[in-house]
Amino acid sequence: DAGVIQSPRHEVTEMGQEVTLRCKPISGHDYLFWYRQTMMRGLELLIYFNNNVPIDDSGMPEDRFSAKMPNASFSTLKIQPSEPRDSAVYFCASRLTVGNGYTFGSGTRLTVV
Amino acid sequence: KQEVTQIPAALSVPEGENLVLNCSFTDSAIYNLQWFRQDPGKGLTSLLLIQSSQREQTSGRLNASLDKSSGRSTLYIAASQPGDSATYLCAVTESSGSRLTFGEGTQLTVNP
Repeated sequence: DAGVIQSPRHEVTEMGQEVTLRCKPISGHDYLFWYRQTMMRGLELLIYFNNNVPIDDSGMPEDRFSAKMPNASFSTLKIQPSEPRDSAVYFCASRLTVGNGYTFGSGTRLTVV
Repeated sequence: KQEVTQIPAALSVPEGENLVLNCSFTDSAIYNLQWFRQDPGKGLTSLLLIQSSQREQTSGRLNASLDKSSGRSTLYIAASQPGDSATYLCAVTESSGSRLTFGEGTQLTVNP
């Protein structure tokens, strides 16, 4: 298996633009998680899905952020409009089921100027 | 709310030394605990997963222990090598099996 695949690896955008981050989880994994990593706050859970259904989105910072999982093999995290404080590394992770470990993607480094 | 603390924040050792990284968590009702490694500018690589019913896990030169009742875990690295230089992150899954909470990490430097 190729692991968790994220795209793009790097994204530079101007403030106010829409940004879409993509994730392909490991095939067969029931859970998908979106995390954000910054120097100030470390790794924070934004949202997670179980069988394509959003379960906990309490970590989503504000209404500018939205996430979808239209099928078991694809998820997006969208920021609209983007702001400089959204600059961070965004990680996607998947997990087979409760009790199994997490596998993380390589991340998307987002810079909003 | 679960809080995870890692001590020390940074550690520098000479090559060949054995070392211990510490992790503590405030809520002992966890499902499992996972240790990760993160190289600069890279993603997280899973090292060891310990279920709440287990006391330790071993993989090569790495050994992780878990004392759930006291809210502590340690990662022991034997015969450290320069290639072990990275940030090590401890993370716990809460008892419901959902949310994974991370510590701030220990930045390890192994000097040749």
